[in-house]
Amino acid sequence: EILMTQSPATLSVSPGESATLSCRASQSIDSNLAWYQQKPGQAPRLLIYGASIRATGCPARFSGGGSGTEFTLTISRLQSEDFAVYYCQQYKDWPPWTFGQGTKVEIK
Amino acid sequence: QVQLQESGPGLVKPSGTLSLTCTISGGSISSSYWWGWVRQPPGKGLEWIGEIYHSGSTNYNPSLESRVTISVDISKNQFSLNLSSATAADTAVYYCAREAEDYGGRTLDSWGRGTLVTVSS
Repeated sequence: EILMTQSPATLSVSPGESATLSCRASQSIDSNLAWYQQKPGQAPRLLIYGASIRATGCPARFSGGGSGTEFTLTISRLQSEDFAVYYCQQYKDWPPWTFGQGTKVEIK
Repeated sequence: QVQLQESGPGLVKPSGTLSLTCTISGGSISSSYWWGWVRQPPGKGLEWIGEIYHSGSTNYNPSLESRVTISVDISKNQFSLNLSSATAADTAVYYCAREAEDYGGRTLDSWGRGTLVTVSS
């Protein structure tokens, strides 16, 4: 099973600033990585797949990067609706598909 | 646009079987997608449980495989989850989701709203 590790656990950011979240895989997953956003009381929402491809409806201020074992999600010019928990998911090796433990982006 | 809705008992007794159904609207379960279940214990992260294709092919999380069964009912455009021998550790919000193929793997591109299942006597 591929272990996904996200850092930091919590990121405090002021609106209008940028935030960079990290995700590390325990072995190479090429670009088979997705990012999800989850707001309180809601289901996760797919933001990024293929490490860097924005899903339908994902704003352009979200950008993904990386390959192999190291990945990032950058949110530029944070807006109020961006404060949420973000999860990465690998889909290179299964079963199971595995998620990181999440990074909470909170208002500073 | 496809929509998914979970349904089932919100309370299950310890050692009982947790049973949930996901109803798909706005799309067909027979389309070229897999259909999966994910759970989230209160205040914790996401755990993939398993998936099914309309042909009946399934894949399960090895950590749950001995207790999990996922089935499909094409006539009702539904798929279901059964988790046997439930314990308090199975208390979670359970989501059903559509899984889209990408580079040989699958991402979860549409989700139900989720349903909280509590395992307690």
